[in-house]
Amino acid sequence: GDSVTQMEGPVTLSEEAFLTINCTYTATGYPSLFWYVQYPGEGLQLLLKATKADDKGSNKGFEATYRKETTSFHLEKGSVQVSDSAVYFCALASGGGSEKLVFGKGTKLTVNP
Amino acid sequence: NAGVMQNPRHLVRRRGQEARLRCSPMKGHSHVYWYRQLPEEGLKFMVYLQKENIIDESGMPKERFSAEFPKEGPSILRIQQVVRGDSAAYFCASSPPSAETQYFGPGTRLLVL
Repeated sequence: GDSVTQMEGPVTLSEEAFLTINCTYTATGYPSLFWYVQYPGEGLQLLLKATKADDKGSNKGFEATYRKETTSFHLEKGSVQVSDSAVYFCALASGGGSEKLVFGKGTKLTVNP
Repeated sequence: NAGVMQNPRHLVRRRGQEARLRCSPMKGHSHVYWYRQLPEEGLKFMVYLQKENIIDESGMPKERFSAEFPKEGPSILRIQQVVRGDSAAYFCASSPPSAETQYFGPGTRLLVL
């Protein structure tokens, strides 16, 4: 079945450091890909998405490019802030009538001042 | 436009009791999804409903769990005879028809004593 693999956390960075969180996927079709962010005690918020190969999703300084050849959707940000501290989830929707999201296990990011 | 609403936010039950979790989708959204998040884990799909219909319940445990989304009123996830292993955060998400992006509620954190 479809699956998502994220880099193990936790990740600890200093403010203004560069962030990369790796995400790879396995899917039978052509999924849409998502990054969600979860702040402590809250639900998930959609951060960005990409629906086809070579699409780049971006929001709030975060970016991720849908790479079909490497089945990857790595999340990047050039300069993190303390307020970016959260858990980040990569997810896919395989479509084709199956609307469910398949999530990675999440990567906890802590940004220190 | 209010977001996805879930209540209660926190629910404590003793083993053997019933838990009822409610989800009101965003206005205009007719698709509802339930996910479960165990501690330190990603979200796992449980069930996908449209008004008065269960579309995909492949993630629902075979016993004690049921879900509904009536014509009027919120979606309900019901867990009968709860056990300690049911302790988790339960998230509801909604989407409009023919849309892949799901919007999540704040979750209900169930604790079974």
